[in-house]
Amino acid sequence: DVKVTQSSRYLVKRTGEKVFLECVQDMDHENMFWYRQDPGLGLRLIYFSYDVKMKEKGDIPEGYSVSREKKERFSLILESASTNQTSMYLCASSRTGSIHYGYTFGSGTRLTVV
Amino acid sequence: DAKTTQPNSMESNEEEPVHLPCNHSTISGTDYIHWYRQLPSQGPEYVIHGLTSNVNNRMASLAIAEDRKSSTLILHRATLRDAAVYYCILSHSNYQLIWGAGTKLIIKP
Repeated sequence: DVKVTQSSRYLVKRTGEKVFLECVQDMDHENMFWYRQDPGLGLRLIYFSYDVKMKEKGDIPEGYSVSREKKERFSLILESASTNQTSMYLCASSRTGSIHYGYTFGSGTRLTVV
Repeated sequence: DAKTTQPNSMESNEEEPVHLPCNHSTISGTDYIHWYRQLPSQGPEYVIHGLTSNVNNRMASLAIAEDRKSSTLILHRATLRDAAVYYCILSHSNYQLIWGAGTKLIIKP
């Protein structure tokens, strides 16, 4: 079964810490995405990548950066975590031409910043 | 970006068909209609998508109005495992899916 795997299901970090969220997909997909999901706000796109070492800002990139050194791995970095970054983070991947194939999501990482 | 409108919640009985509506009156000619669902404590799951014609797959059917300003996701025989939030989304690119609040589907035994 194809998978998008997020490294942690739950994470608690302190304000000001540097936080790494890791995502790995085994489907050889070109595109990878990071979303955050908050009650009443739905899913919002933070960053996406359509190729190795390529990245594009989504709707809410402030306070985040990303890294894609290998095709299968896409990392989200919170440079200095703040309490307003407490959220559910979802990673997804898709094949180029994905209009016809859909996105595959991971199970999410629930991050709490205290 | 074109937006979608869905009811906040719907209830249905187990083993009965469910029709989930979605309005998208500002849809453009190149926008695809996608449906995803999110079960509790899980990431969203792709259900179905279409452009103009009705579509069927193993999970559901998608009925698209002739003017494309609305669509309906049809679950032919709902089970308790179909209880989820269902999202109707428009997209004309590979990269951007604009997510709304979705419809919370409640299945009664």
